[in-house]
Amino acid sequence: GNSVTQMEGPVTLSEEAFLTINCTYTATGYPSLFWYVQYPGEGLQLLLKATKADDKGSNKGFEATYRKETTSFHLEKGSVQVSDSAVYFCALSQTSYDKVIFGPGTSLSVIP
Amino acid sequence: DARVTQTPRHKVTEMGQEVTMRCQPILGHNTVFWYRQTMMQGLELLAYFRNRAPLDDSGMPKDRFSAEMPDATLATLKIQPSEPRDSAVYFCASAVNTEAFFGQGTRLTVV
Repeated sequence: GNSVTQMEGPVTLSEEAFLTINCTYTATGYPSLFWYVQYPGEGLQLLLKATKADDKGSNKGFEATYRKETTSFHLEKGSVQVSDSAVYFCALSQTSYDKVIFGPGTSLSVIP
Repeated sequence: DARVTQTPRHKVTEMGQEVTMRCQPILGHNTVFWYRQTMMQGLELLAYFRNRAPLDDSGMPKDRFSAEMPDATLATLKIQPSEPRDSAVYFCASAVNTEAFFGQGTRLTVV
Protein backbone atom coordinates (compact mmCIF):
# COMPACT_ATOMS: atom_id res chain seq x y z
CA GLY A 1 0.00 0.00 0.00
CA ASN A 2 0.90 3.66 -0.07
CA SER A 3 3.19 4.96 2.64
CA VAL A 4 5.39 7.90 3.61
CA THR A 5 8.69 7.76 5.49
CA GLN A 6 10.35 10.74 7.12
CA MET A 7 13.65 11.26 8.88
CA GLU A 8 13.53 10.72 12.61
CA GLY A 9 13.46 13.73 14.86
CA PRO A 10 13.71 15.77 16.88
CA VAL A 11 15.85 18.16 14.88
CA THR A 12 17.46 21.07 16.69
CA LEU A 13 19.03 23.92 14.72
CA SER A 14 20.42 27.34 15.45
CA GLU A 15 18.69 30.35 13.94
CA GLU A 16 19.73 31.01 10.32
CA ALA A 17 20.93 27.43 9.81
CA PHE A 18 20.02 25.43 6.71
CA LEU A 19 17.20 22.92 7.09
CA THR A 20 16.62 19.64 5.30
CA ILE A 21 13.94 17.15 6.31
CA ASN A 22 14.01 14.01 4.20
CA CYS A 23 10.84 12.37 2.93
CA THR A 24 10.40 9.32 0.72
CA TYR A 25 7.21 7.67 -0.40
CA THR A 26 5.82 4.44 -1.77
CA ALA A 27 2.89 4.66 -4.15
CA THR A 28 1.70 3.47 -7.52
CA GLY A 29 1.28 5.96 -10.32
CA TYR A 30 1.72 9.67 -9.69
CA PRO A 31 0.50 10.82 -6.30
CA SER A 32 0.28 14.42 -5.17
CA LEU A 33 2.80 15.25 -2.45
CA PHE A 34 2.48 17.66 0.46
CA TRP A 35 4.23 19.15 3.43
CA TYR A 36 2.06 20.12 6.37
CA VAL A 37 3.17 22.02 9.48
CA GLN A 38 1.70 21.76 12.97
CA TYR A 39 2.41 24.49 15.50
CA PRO A 40 1.93 23.69 19.20
CA GLY A 41 -1.71 23.30 20.17
CA GLU A 42 -2.98 23.70 16.63
CA GLY A 43 -4.15 21.60 13.70
CA LEU A 44 -2.10 20.87 10.62
CA GLN A 45 -1.70 23.54 7.96
CA LEU A 46 -0.69 22.95 4.37
CA LEU A 47 2.78 24.38 3.83
CA LEU A 48 3.37 23.45 0.20
CA LYS A 49 2.46 20.87 -2.42
CA ALA A 50 3.50 19.42 -5.76
CA THR A 51 1.24 17.46 -8.07
CA LYS A 52 3.57 16.08 -10.72
CA ALA A 53 7.16 15.00 -11.22
CA ASP A 54 9.80 17.76 -11.16
CA ASP A 55 7.32 20.28 -9.73
CA LYS A 56 8.73 22.47 -6.99
CA GLY A 57 6.42 23.59 -4.21
CA SER A 58 7.39 26.66 -2.22
CA ASN A 59 5.98 28.81 0.56
CA LYS A 60 7.38 31.02 3.36
CA GLY A 61 10.96 30.27 2.28
CA PHE A 62 10.43 26.50 2.32
CA GLU A 63 10.87 24.44 -0.85
CA ALA A 64 10.45 20.83 -1.90
CA THR A 65 10.89 19.20 -5.31
CA TYR A 66 8.91 16.16 -6.48
CA ARG A 67 11.54 13.59 -7.52
CA LYS A 68 9.91 10.63 -9.21
CA GLU A 69 13.18 8.81 -9.87
CA THR A 70 14.09 8.74 -6.17
CA THR A 71 10.49 8.81 -4.86
CA SER A 72 11.43 11.72 -2.63
CA PHE A 73 10.06 15.10 -1.59
CA HIS A 74 12.65 16.60 0.76
CA LEU A 75 11.82 19.84 2.56
CA GLU A 76 14.44 22.60 2.61
CA LYS A 77 14.83 26.10 3.92
CA GLY A 78 17.93 28.22 3.58
CA SER A 79 17.72 30.10 6.88
CA VAL A 80 15.41 28.95 9.67
CA GLN A 81 13.88 31.20 12.28
CA VAL A 82 12.73 30.53 15.83
CA SER A 83 9.15 30.86 14.56
CA ASP A 84 9.70 27.80 12.32
CA SER A 85 9.75 25.56 15.39
CA ALA A 86 6.97 23.05 14.77
CA VAL A 87 6.26 19.50 13.65
CA TYR A 88 6.49 18.90 9.91
CA PHE A 89 4.55 16.15 8.16
CA CYS A 90 5.16 14.80 4.70
CA ALA A 91 2.03 13.39 3.04
CA LEU A 92 0.65 11.99 -0.20
CA SER A 93 -2.69 11.60 -1.87
CA GLN A 94 -3.09 9.11 -4.68
CA THR A 95 -5.84 10.86 -6.60
CA SER A 96 -8.05 13.84 -6.16
CA TYR A 97 -10.32 13.39 -3.16
CA ASP A 98 -8.48 10.28 -2.02
CA LYS A 99 -7.40 9.98 1.57
CA VAL A 100 -4.26 11.81 2.61
CA ILE A 101 -1.58 9.54 4.05
CA PHE A 102 0.84 11.15 6.49
CA GLY A 103 4.35 10.35 7.56
CA PRO A 104 5.17 10.17 11.28
CA GLY A 105 6.20 13.83 11.52
CA THR A 106 9.53 15.48 12.31
CA SER A 107 9.80 17.86 15.23
CA LEU A 108 11.97 20.92 14.58
CA SER A 109 13.27 23.21 17.30
CA VAL A 110 15.13 26.37 16.32
CA ILE A 111 17.16 28.04 19.06
CA PRO A 112 18.29 31.68 19.02
CA ASP B 1 -11.76 33.39 6.42
CA ALA B 2 -13.16 29.87 5.92
CA ARG B 3 -12.07 27.29 8.44
CA VAL B 4 -12.98 23.90 9.83
CA THR B 5 -14.61 24.22 13.25
CA GLN B 6 -14.43 21.46 15.86
CA THR B 7 -16.25 21.26 19.16
CA PRO B 8 -15.51 20.81 21.96
CA ARG B 9 -11.84 21.82 22.01
CA HIS B 10 -11.25 19.86 25.20
CA LYS B 11 -13.17 17.01 26.80
CA VAL B 12 -12.48 15.11 30.00
CA THR B 13 -14.74 12.16 30.67
CA GLU B 14 -14.92 9.06 32.77
CA MET B 15 -14.35 5.62 31.34
CA GLY B 16 -17.57 4.12 30.03
CA GLN B 17 -19.20 7.42 29.13
CA GLU B 18 -20.31 8.36 25.62
CA VAL B 19 -18.31 11.05 23.85
CA THR B 20 -19.49 13.00 20.81
CA MET B 21 -17.17 15.21 18.82
CA ARG B 22 -18.50 17.58 16.16
CA CYS B 23 -17.02 19.11 13.06
CA GLN B 24 -18.28 21.79 10.71
CA PRO B 25 -16.42 21.43 7.41
CA ILE B 26 -15.70 24.31 5.08
CA LEU B 27 -18.71 25.09 2.89
CA GLY B 28 -18.31 23.50 -0.53
CA HIS B 29 -15.78 20.87 0.55
CA ASN B 30 -17.17 17.45 -0.25
CA THR B 31 -14.57 15.28 1.48
CA VAL B 32 -14.30 15.04 5.27
CA PHE B 33 -11.67 13.14 7.25
CA TRP B 34 -11.39 12.11 10.91
CA TYR B 35 -7.85 11.59 12.24
CA ARG B 36 -6.56 10.66 15.68
CA GLN B 37 -3.17 11.86 16.88
CA THR B 38 -1.16 10.32 19.71
CA MET B 39 2.50 10.45 20.61
CA MET B 40 2.88 6.71 20.08
CA GLN B 41 0.93 6.23 16.85
CA GLY B 42 1.18 9.64 15.22
CA LEU B 43 -1.67 10.56 12.86
CA GLU B 44 -4.10 7.74 12.17
CA LEU B 45 -6.94 7.99 9.67
CA LEU B 46 -10.13 6.80 11.34
CA ALA B 47 -12.71 7.44 8.64
CA TYR B 48 -13.54 9.61 5.70
CA PHE B 49 -16.58 10.69 3.73
CA ARG B 50 -17.19 11.95 0.24
CA ASN B 51 -20.45 13.74 -0.49
CA ARG B 52 -21.56 12.60 2.98
CA ALA B 53 -21.17 8.90 2.12
CA PRO B 54 -18.66 6.89 4.17
CA LEU B 55 -15.81 5.71 1.95
CA ASP B 56 -13.45 4.11 4.40
CA ASP B 57 -13.77 3.53 8.12
CA SER B 58 -11.32 0.69 8.39
CA GLY B 59 -9.19 2.67 10.84
CA MET B 60 -11.95 2.81 13.45
CA PRO B 61 -12.63 0.26 16.19
CA LYS B 62 -16.11 -0.65 15.01
CA ASP B 63 -17.39 -1.91 18.32
CA ARG B 64 -17.15 1.49 20.01
CA PHE B 65 -16.60 4.17 17.38
CA SER B 66 -19.07 5.54 14.86
CA ALA B 67 -18.84 8.38 12.38
CA GLU B 68 -21.69 10.08 10.54
CA MET B 69 -22.51 13.08 8.39
CA PRO B 70 -26.17 13.89 9.02
CA ASP B 71 -25.88 16.85 6.65
CA ALA B 72 -23.24 18.70 4.64
CA THR B 73 -22.49 21.11 7.49
CA LEU B 74 -21.95 18.58 10.26
CA ALA B 75 -19.77 15.52 10.82
CA THR B 76 -19.80 13.62 14.10
CA LEU B 77 -17.53 11.09 15.73
CA LYS B 78 -18.92 9.12 18.67
CA ILE B 79 -17.21 6.81 21.12
CA GLN B 80 -19.40 4.57 23.26
CA PRO B 81 -18.22 3.38 25.71
CA SER B 82 -15.03 5.41 26.02
CA GLU B 83 -11.82 3.88 27.38
CA PRO B 84 -8.58 5.44 28.68
CA ARG B 85 -6.73 4.27 25.54
CA ASP B 86 -9.00 6.57 23.50
CA SER B 87 -7.26 9.59 25.02
CA ALA B 88 -5.84 11.55 22.08
CA VAL B 89 -6.36 14.60 19.93
CA TYR B 90 -9.02 14.04 17.29
CA PHE B 91 -8.81 16.12 14.13
CA CYS B 92 -11.40 16.73 11.48
CA ALA B 93 -10.30 17.92 8.05
CA SER B 94 -12.24 18.87 4.95
CA ALA B 95 -10.82 18.79 1.48
CA VAL B 96 -11.26 20.19 -1.98
CA ASN B 97 -9.22 18.71 -4.82
CA THR B 98 -6.09 17.42 -3.09
CA GLU B 99 -5.76 20.01 -0.31
CA ALA B 100 -6.99 19.16 3.20
CA PHE B 101 -7.85 21.87 5.74
CA PHE B 102 -7.67 20.86 9.39
CA GLY B 103 -9.62 21.97 12.41
CA GLN B 104 -7.87 22.73 15.69
CA GLY B 105 -8.78 19.38 17.14
CA THR B 106 -10.59 17.99 20.17
CA ARG B 107 -8.30 16.93 22.99
CA LEU B 108 -9.99 13.97 24.67
CA THR B 109 -8.94 12.65 28.06
CA VAL B 110 -10.65 9.54 29.39
CA VAL B 111 -9.99 8.87 33.08
